Amino acid sequence: EDQVTQSPEALRLQEGESSSLNCSYTVSGLRGLFWYRQDPGKGPEFLFTLYSAGEEKEKERLKATLTKKESFLHITAPKPEDSATYLCAVQVYSGGYQKVTFGIGTKLQVIP
Amino acid sequence: EAGVAQSPRYKIIEKRQSVAFWCNPISGHATLYWYQQILGQGPKLLIQFQNNGVVDDSQLPKDRFSAERLKGVDSTLKIQPAKLEDSAVYLCASSRDRNLLEYFGPGTRLTVL
Repeated sequence: EDQVTQSPEALRLQEGESSSLNCSYTVSGLRGLFWYRQDPGKGPEFLFTLYSAGEEKEKERLKATLTKKESFLHITAPKPEDSATYLCAVQVYSGGYQKVTFGIGTKLQVIP
Repeated sequence: EAGVAQSPRYKIIEKRQSVAFWCNPISGHATLYWYQQILGQGPKLLIQFQNNGVVDDSQLPKDRFSAERLKGVDSTLKIQPAKLEDSAVYLCASSRDRNLLEYFGPGTRLTVL
């Protein structure tokens, strides 16, 4: 069974204090790994897709990286508006279609 | 472009009652998903449609949940009868490519009392 573990479950940072969120996975035949941001009362907002080990993608203060066993979401000099829950999800193929399994997320709070 | 629309946004029902949720995907998106997100957990896939055909409903509790996507556009998800453990946010998502999962709606928060 595909498993996705995110850590820490919650993270509190001071504004400007850089850190990383971890997503480790156990799957058969990873096709892709997704990162999302979810604000309270809203649906997940797509951030990145990573397909192969060594791949990196950036968007503003966020950078996502991928290895064969885990992915990191690096947050550089965060601002209060970066506060949200960050979800990681793994994509595999099953029966010709994708199957996506989510982690429980990391709740990030950035304090001014 | 307009996003994924869902209604209602909130619903409170008694256990054993029925409830239905509606989703209007982004125009032209062939793939539509329904996810269940219980508080403090990640979303879990209930059903995936490609146009108006079901691709994956392996995690849909078929004794009480049903879903349809008429004409390959709008979709409805129904629960009958509801149980306390069905309290969750029901998310609809759509994508132009069956290998992507990019656009989620705002969700419907269901509370079963």
